[in-house]
Amino acid sequence: DAKTTQPTSMDCAEGRAANLPCNHSTISGNEYVYWYRQIHSQGPQYIIHGLKNNETNEMASLIITEDRKSSTLILPHATLRDTAVYYCIVRVATGNQFYFGTGTSLTVIP
Amino acid sequence: EAQVTQNPRYLITVTGKKLTVTCSQNMNHEYMSWYRQDPGLGLRQIYYSMNVEVTDKGDVPEGYKVSRKEKRNFPLILESPSPNQTSLYFCASSFGIVELGEQYFGPGTRLTVT
Repeated sequence: DAKTTQPTSMDCAEGRAANLPCNHSTISGNEYVYWYRQIHSQGPQYIIHGLKNNETNEMASLIITEDRKSSTLILPHATLRDTAVYYCIVRVATGNQFYFGTGTSLTVIP
Repeated sequence: EAQVTQNPRYLITVTGKKLTVTCSQNMNHEYMSWYRQDPGLGLRQIYYSMNVEVTDKGDVPEGYKVSRKEKRNFPLILESPSPNQTSLYFCASSFGIVELGEQYFGPGTRLTVT
């Protein structure tokens, strides 16, 4: 599975959009991009995933560049409850292992 | 309520005393996995199981054992715990291969080995 690179930490003002980048320059054609988040020391929570097309659900939007070497998770209106560590993972749909890395610590500021 | 449960939530033990951390899910998921989380190292996968009687090593399997005799349960066994296994442990489950992205995580077990 391809490795990912994320900034260590980011801040975002409450009510504004939070844009979390992820680089995965060695991604293969059959590897998906997944995003999870972990609030404090709770169990990680699934957010969204995609292969090529941009995806949106009730939590967030996922923008994947055309060459698939990077992606951005967008939280459209960040709230204080979105303060968490966000993990970007790439893996094949049939792969059995997950590599979470150390993620981006997002702090939403009032 | 659909959930993954782990027990115990907190455990302090001594070096060499065998222990088991239980994990159970009520969603009929085929895939289950164990992770450990340490400061600065993120989440690392210990073992995973694709289905009953099928288990395989993750990134950091040394010092751990698992079994999958029933679909709903996936216990983590430390035969002879050592202080370097002090960590926060998470169990997770999901449906079969195509939906592997959507893992559901348990609340975590904080283990201290002295």
